[in-house]
Formats: sequence, C-alpha cells, structure tokens
Amino acid sequence: DTAVSQTPKYLVTQMGNDKSIKCEQNLGHDTMYWYKQDSKKFLKIMFSYNNKELIINETVPNRFSPKSPDKAHLNLHINSLELGDSAVYFCASSQEGPFLEQETQYFGPGTRLLVL
Amino acid sequence: EDQVTQSPEALRLQEGESSSLNCSYTVSGLRGLFWYRQDPGKGPEFLFTLYSAGEEKEKERLKATLTKKESFLHITAPKPEDSATYLCAVQAGRGSTLGRLYFGRGTQLTVWP
Repeated sequence: DTAVSQTPKYLVTQMGNDKSIKCEQNLGHDTMYWYKQDSKKFLKIMFSYNNKELIINETVPNRFSPKSPDKAHLNLHINSLELGDSAVYFCASSQEGPFLEQETQYFGPGTRLLVL
Repeated sequence: EDQVTQSPEALRLQEGESSSLNCSYTVSGLRGLFWYRQDPGKGPEFLFTLYSAGEEKEKERLKATLTKKESFLHITAPKPEDSATYLCAVQAGRGSTLGRLYFGRGTQLTVWP
C-alpha cells in the first residue's frame, strides 16, 4: 500500500500549457505539502495545507495554484508553463499540523516535469 | 535567515570504510532535525528525527547525533546498498517559519565493493 502517491510520475509538455499534478495520502495525516527539487537536488517547500487550509505559501509565481479538496488530497495546478518550471515536484504529508510539536514529513515518489 | 549546510557534497567509500556526513545549521530555535535518504528517481525516505543536543539515534549501520550547531550521520562499515543521497532538514521554532522544513543540498554517498 502506497502511503503518499502522486500522478503522473512523468509529465512532458510544451511551454505555455496548463497542467495539474495530483497527490493522495492514505496515512490519515492532517497536513500536506508541495516541494520543488531542482536539477541540483535542492528541495524547497512551496505550499502546505492543514485540514484543507493554506498554511504556507512561499514565494512562488501565482501561476502555481494548490487545491485541497479534502485532507487526503492536495493537487497542484500550473498555468502557462515555463522552461524554468522543469523540476521534480514532491508531495509530502505529516501527521500533525504545523502548530504542534515536532512532525515527520513523508514524501511521495515525485512527478518529473519537463517543459519543452 | 535559516540555513542548512551539508558536507561533503559527495563522498566515495570502499565497502567497510566507515565515515561521517555533516549537517550544520543556523535556525531560530530548533524544533527538530531530520535525516532522509533519497535514492535516484525516488522521494526522500525518512531516517531519523533528533530534537535536542546530545541526542543519538541508530538504525542498522547508521547513527545520527546532534549538537547545538550541527548533526552528524555516522556510517559504520557501509555496504553498496547504502549508496544514496542523504538529506538533512531542520524545522525552526514557532513564528513565521511554522511547519517549514529547510533542507540542505545533500551528500551523495557512493559505496563501492
């Protein structure tokens, strides 16, 4: 049973297109995250949701819009894709909200986005 | 600004050759330091959480330690299957950094037979 799953695993698209990445977790966690990992493997947080409420919104272009239909799902929609958006996007979840004590984030397998 | 620096960037070890990876951090009130392992083409896999200076945790050939400024991941008698990128991340105290994990750039470990 996959704890944190993402679809698709690979995404190749043209500049200017709009695409979505989906994430689901079956761990019963309250908080979900989106991270971006660049070509140098640097992992940086983009967004987090706690019980469907946006908690963290880093300095990310507004072409990126997260949506959480319920606490088990967090999707990422990207408008007008640019070459610089090419990266690996990871979804993660944690058991407790960011307002509580230490938490462990569990990551999905990643979505490899290539913008041509 | 909160920062995490890992060294070395890359490390090549012969099987059985023990060594340590370093993670130094500057953060406003550490809530937790996390070690992850990442294999090529996969997501980070959780290894350890350390909460306070002096704490140590072990798992098979890995042992993580924490001081007030840095953490070490000691690898004893590594095997080729230990080859991966090891990521360190810190979570700062309450305030504007709520819930954020700040990651280092990782140490790419290669263990050859």
